Amino acid sequence: EVQLVESGGSVVRPGGSLRLSCATSGFTFDDYGMSWVRQVPGKGLEWVSGINWNGDTTGYADSVKGRFTISRDNAKTSLYLQMNSLRAEDTALYHCARVLLGSGSFYFAIDSWGQGTLVSVSS
Amino acid sequence: EIVLTQFPGTLSLSPGERATLSCRASQSVTSRSLAWYQHKPGQPPRLLIYGASSWATGIPDRFSGSGSGTDFTLTISRLEPEDFAVYYCHEYGSSPQTFGQGTKVEIK
Repeated sequence: EVQLVESGGSVVRPGGSLRLSCATSGFTFDDYGMSWVRQVPGKGLEWVSGINWNGDTTGYADSVKGRFTISRDNAKTSLYLQMNSLRAEDTALYHCARVLLGSGSFYFAIDSWGQGTLVSVSS
Repeated sequence: EIVLTQFPGTLSLSPGERATLSCRASQSVTSRSLAWYQHKPGQPPRLLIYGASSWATGIPDRFSGSGSGTDFTLTISRLEPEDFAVYYCHEYGSSPQTFGQGTKVEIK
């Protein structure tokens, strides 16, 4: 069974930093591209970032480009999101997500999601 | 960035009725790289359709997807009680990927 478990969410002040982690199990991690998707409470979904199987291709939403960095450790089967210069509008539930196709690319539909970790940016 | 616009925002229907949800892209979607998800409160989203019209594993055939280019449709042929939820389309063929704002299917 595919399992994705996020951690690292917290309350942080504007301008602060956080590092989210996603521990995975139940599949061959380095076969899959991965993404982070967030949801503002009561609002819709927003794709944040994606990374291919070996980390040499990444992508970011315009709203986080230059502030967030996605990375992965295939030996630890874990995904990360380093979030710097946080803003109030980054407040959301952040989901770790695995794409459907085990081609290594993150350019595909998402078939597995974690429950999410909550980030709150407030002074 | 491809902007996805979903309509209607809310669909009020009764169990057994047909639901038609639309997703329009601001530019042509590459290789029909369009997915649909069902989202219920307190749960992660559930993949229904990928490649515009392919069923994800375990999805009942009352759900179907169609479309190409800039116009896509999710159809639920006969609504079951468990189908009342929010539905999102997702464009994944380009960077950045984007989601539509969602359509809520509620019980009339």
